[in-house]
Amino acid sequence: NAGVTQTPKFRILKIGQSMTLQCTQDMNHNYMYWYRQDPGMGLKLIYYSVGAGITDKGEVPNGYNVSRSTTEDFPLRLELAAPSQTSVYFCASSYGRPKQYFGPGTRLTVT
Amino acid sequence: AQKVTQAQTEISVVEKEDVTLDCVYETRDTTYYLFWYKQPPSGELVFLIRRNSFDEQNEISGRYSWNFQKSTSSFNFTITASQVVDSAVYFCALSEARPGAGSYQLTFGKGTKLSVIP
Repeated sequence: NAGVTQTPKFRILKIGQSMTLQCTQDMNHNYMYWYRQDPGMGLKLIYYSVGAGITDKGEVPNGYNVSRSTTEDFPLRLELAAPSQTSVYFCASSYGRPKQYFGPGTRLTVT
Repeated sequence: AQKVTQAQTEISVVEKEDVTLDCVYETRDTTYYLFWYKQPPSGELVFLIRRNSFDEQNEISGRYSWNFQKSTSSFNFTITASQVVDSAVYFCALSEARPGAGSYQLTFGKGTKLSVIP
């Protein structure tokens, strides 16, 4: 199993551009999460999903959108990128249990 | 609302010293889970331990040990005989199990950066 994979690993965006961060898991987990980690800070939850077709906001959802059309994929969409969205983004998944499995992260810079 | 506080921002120790990383949490739930994650310089998150609120037994895994005390809402992490490879940022995290939602969202502390000097 590859576990949780994220693409791209690095990305530089210009202000106002949009992009989609990809997240895929091959563990048949029903729960998936997106977190962001700002420098010197812990992770904060952006969005989560408890199953295909079901998503909900976390602590810091503004400026992002998600969809969950399949169990495996949970893409995160950034519309109109802003410098405040410069961060490292982590995707995670779990099988309805507290322990989450994290992807390697995507480092995003908005300039 | 849940909250995790890691008061130590950075700690430096000389190799082979013991070091304790502090974690204090706040939650209104009676059922919850506590975690420690390690983030080495390479950036990935490495799961170290999970503890549920019903189990106050301390745990030891090699050079790592954890002290969970509900009375003080603390879940401290001790590394014995530290090594250079222990240099990393360590995060404490809290998950509430919410009936119905059951999403197990994680709330992280800000992390403690540990530097082990040879």
